[in-house]
Amino acid sequence: GESVGLHLPTLSVQEGDNSIINCAYSNSASDYFIWYKQESGKGPQFIIDIRSNMDKRQGQRVTVLLNKTVKHLSLQIAATQPGDSAVYFCAENYSNYGQNFVFGPGTRLSVLP
Amino acid sequence: ETGVTQTPRHLVMGMTNKKSLKCEQHLGHNAMYWYKQSAKKPLELMFVYSLEERVENNSVPSRFSPECPNSSHLFLHLHTLQPEDSALYLCASSQAQASGGEKLFFGSGTQLSVL
Repeated sequence: GESVGLHLPTLSVQEGDNSIINCAYSNSASDYFIWYKQESGKGPQFIIDIRSNMDKRQGQRVTVLLNKTVKHLSLQIAATQPGDSAVYFCAENYSNYGQNFVFGPGTRLSVLP
Repeated sequence: ETGVTQTPRHLVMGMTNKKSLKCEQHLGHNAMYWYKQSAKKPLELMFVYSLEERVENNSVPSRFSPECPNSSHLFLHLHTLQPEDSALYLCASSQAQASGGEKLFFGSGTQLSVL
């Protein structure tokens, strides 16, 4: 049969606006979360992480929010720039399972001029 | 430069070939990983070597064989692959802690096409 690629949700934002990328994770016992950025032709690049004893963490132009009640993670990018265009993945880890991260399917962010 | 180097960047092989992917990390980490990224699925963990001990992944076909001679080098030996094995193969490393997960650092990957 015909192969079908993974359909990535796409978020389009105007340059200078704020972006919010969402992720629903699967394991209520997960206690460590990471956001990765992947540009075309490159491997995933670490952006920011958060552990389950926190609900918010800020980096440079990025903020991660964690809502354990509804198993939801979000990445906020302030003043989005053309260089932010990429696919963004969330990853969850349950420390009792060692270093096995489970990755989400990703969201493609397109920054419009 | 991420500190994790993979070679080759691109590889085309026939189903009867044998080839190897190479990964080297310059970060002083104690754990290395192989991940598969295909168009159909999210990133999938294939193998983990933590403190040079392999963590088995029973869902990976035996035509993929990892080797970790030391904490800085990781290989993925390929033989009699199938066209559906065509994908981006990513190597990663981390400083594994007993207390829990630590962030992964990825290489740029090897784009593999099986004809």
